[in-house]
Amino acid sequence: GQNIDQPTEMTATEGAIVQINCTYQTSGFNGLFWYQQHAGEAPTFLSYNVLDGLEEKGRFSSFLSRSKGYSYLLLKELQMKDSASYLCAVRPTGGGNKLTFGTGTQLKVEL
Amino acid sequence: DGGITQSPKYLFRKEGQNVTLSCEQNLNHDAMYWYRQDPGQGLRLIYYSQIVNDFQKGDIAEGYSVSREKKESFPLTVTSAQKNPTAFYLCASSEVGMASEGYTFGSGTRLTVV
Repeated sequence: GQNIDQPTEMTATEGAIVQINCTYQTSGFNGLFWYQQHAGEAPTFLSYNVLDGLEEKGRFSSFLSRSKGYSYLLLKELQMKDSASYLCAVRPTGGGNKLTFGTGTQLKVEL
Repeated sequence: DGGITQSPKYLFRKEGQNVTLSCEQNLNHDAMYWYRQDPGQGLRLIYYSQIVNDFQKGDIAEGYSVSREKKESFPLTVTSAQKNPTAFYLCASSEVGMASEGYTFGSGTRLTVV
């Protein structure tokens, strides 16, 4: 079976750094994705990790440890527009591109 | 511009009615997916298709049906057998076999039973 855990809510201050954690237990592993979703809108792709380590893309970075079943999304220089839900998704082996999603972390950025 | 289009954006259904949600893509993607999203829950997979004329059940297929007669189109029918259909429905597409390819999502259809 598949199990993906993320914190339900987080609050951070504009200009600060926030780390959103994701732990997973899946039947095989073939990559982990992070998506951003604003209320009532479609998710948009942020990052992809398949090997251990840190992937950096502008203000956003994502880290993966396959041995620990753990990933985090790091957001730097937070802006008000970063207030959104952040979804962690895992692609198990043998399922093509089928993804299993966590429940999402609702991030609120305050002044 | 290439993209994926869902329609309608809002849909109201009476008890006992079947309704069909449209999903069309012009990205030339082979794979298409339907997910359901409920408040406080993640996306749950209903059906997916990796090639024309073939599709597989996801985790919550009961009460739903799909077809894949054309590469561009993957409509979802919510039947009267679906006991709790009120939700936000998301269609997505992707390449098959490209490891780092994420999904491209449509803008979603919000279905409400009245």
